[in-house]
This record gives sequence, C-alpha cells and structure tokens, in this order.
Amino acid sequence: DADVTQTPRNRITKTGKRIMLECSQTKGHDRMYWYRQDPGLGLRLIYYSFDVKDINKGEISDGYSVSRQAQAKFSLSLESAIPNQTALYFCATSDLFEQRGELFFGEGSRLTVL
Amino acid sequence: KNEVEQSPQNLTAQEGEFITINCSYSVGISALHWLQQHPGGGIVSLFMLSSGKKKHGRLIATINIQEKHSSLHITASHPRDSAVYICAVRYTKETSGSRLTFGEGTQLTVNP
Repeated sequence: DADVTQTPRNRITKTGKRIMLECSQTKGHDRMYWYRQDPGLGLRLIYYSFDVKDINKGEISDGYSVSRQAQAKFSLSLESAIPNQTALYFCATSDLFEQRGELFFGEGSRLTVL
Repeated sequence: KNEVEQSPQNLTAQEGEFITINCSYSVGISALHWLQQHPGGGIVSLFMLSSGKKKHGRLIATINIQEKHSSLHITASHPRDSAVYICAVRYTKETSGSRLTFGEGTQLTVNP
C-alpha cells in the first residue's frame, strides 16, 4: 500500500456541487497538508494540520474546508465548487520537519469543475 | 513573484549528459527540499538539505547558504530521469511546522 493515499484520483464535477477529497496515511505522521498545483505556479498550501485538534489555514484557504478525522485521515472539502478550483490537489505528510525531514506526497487528485 | 526561483524552466538533454538544475531563494532558510514529480503526477522527496551536499545514486544536491542557492545534479542522465524537479524551501521566519514555499519546477526531458 502507498504511504499516502488520495481518493478520488480523478473527478469531474459541475459548478456548485460539494466535493470531498480524502487522504489517508500509514506513516504515523502527525503533520498533514493539502496543496493545489496549477500550471505555471508552484504548489500552494490550502490547509495544514499538526494533530487531530490543530487545523490551520494556508495561503489559499478561501472556498475550502478540512476535517482531521484521525491522525491518519485528513479530508479537503469544496462546499460549492467553482471552475477556478480546477487543479491538481496533493495531500502530504511530514514528521518533525527539522529532525528527519521526512516528507511524503500522495499521487494527487485531479479535479475538474465545469 | 515567487520567492523561490528555479532555472531553467525546461531542459532537454541526451542520455548520458550531466544535468544541473538551479534554485535560488530570497532570505534565510532552515531547510531546502528537492522533489521529483513523475509524468503521472506523483511527487517524491529526493533530498532535504540544510547545508553542504548530499548524494544518492546518480543524484547530487548542494546548497550554498551564503549565496542562497542550491543545485541538483544528475550524472549519466537516463530517459527515466525525465520528470519535473521542484525546489521547496522552509524560511526561518516560520516558527511552526513545515510550511514550504515551492518553485515552479524544471521540466527535464532526457532523450535516448
């Protein structure tokens, strides 16, 4: 099994629909992240979580929400999808960053909003 | 303007060539990652650097803290090295967690 699993891998939806992207990890990491990737731009942070009770907004959180259901699970929701949320979304996990620098990404979820 | 600049944006090489990809950043950092993104989209962390040099197989990563610059080298390049290579930094101004700032990536194509 992959260290970080994202579902769905591909999704096409319509404007206004609610969408949830799910992420689960087997690394035992406390820290989890959601990023989006757009052509010509670097990965940008949407939300991050350092443990189940700690959720933080990233640089582009508007229009998104998250839920940390357990240490291993971190979901990203688009309450009312719009076309400019069409992107490739990545979940990532890390350990205590400064100490070992372990950083793992999922395979990505490609979302198209029509 | 992205605070992490990579060059070149695109690079085409012949199999066997020595490859260099560069990354420059604007202020002090505590760590720098080199990542590889496969054509299918998945991202893999290759190296984390805070100083000096690291080597793994044919890949070598160096960092010069004073010049705020890092390089990723690939020796004896192979078509399977074709991918997007991404530089990501953690600035020292961050007091919690690994909030990384990413470069736009370098698309490498190695022809047989």
